[in-house]
Amino acid sequence: GQQVMQIPQYQHVQEGEDFTTYCNSSTTLSNIQWYKQRPGGHPVFLIQLVKSGEVKKQKRLTFQFGEAKKNSSLHITATQTTDVGTYFCAGSFNAGNNRKLIWGLGTSLAVNP
Amino acid sequence: EAGVAQSPRYKIIEKRQSVAFWCNPISGHATLYWYQQILGQGPKLLIQFQNNGVVDDSQLPKDRFSAERLKGVDSTLKIQPAKLEDSAVYLCASRGQYFGPGTRLTVL
Repeated sequence: GQQVMQIPQYQHVQEGEDFTTYCNSSTTLSNIQWYKQRPGGHPVFLIQLVKSGEVKKQKRLTFQFGEAKKNSSLHITATQTTDVGTYFCAGSFNAGNNRKLIWGLGTSLAVNP
Repeated sequence: EAGVAQSPRYKIIEKRQSVAFWCNPISGHATLYWYQQILGQGPKLLIQFQNNGVVDDSQLPKDRFSAERLKGVDSTLKIQPAKLEDSAVYLCASRGQYFGPGTRLTVL
């Protein structure tokens, strides 16, 4: 069945260092979504990428969608302690007349001040 | 715009008891998801509704879990009977992107 793999599982950085998490799908996606979940909180939607090769930026966050629409990445420049949390990707693909969403297992980011 | 509402926020029950969770999605959102998130893990999709029809319930343990969305608006998720391993946060998401605060279930 369809799978979305996310790596790394954990990342520990010093404040100011960069951070990247990667998602790979076993099937071509309609779109990919990224979420952030703080400890004790619920997932918060960050962005959706739809187009092949799309790159979007939100302040220090850069999101990319691969040309084949099977992989994606989230890059954080100069991490801050407020970036702590788990980052999830979720891939959407067509299943008949419906859209299904498959989640990666997440990358937990810890930032040392 | 009001967010996704869920209740209760917390629930503690003993194993073999029954429990129900309620979700009211954002008005007009046809798609509604129920997720189970065990501590330290990612959300696991239990069921996806499109209006009042089920799109995907392949990971719903149907021997004990049931969900309905009769009028295509709010939804309930029930567990009967509960097991210890059902202890988790149950998240409802509207249109897939907008999450409610979740219901934290503890089964003793």
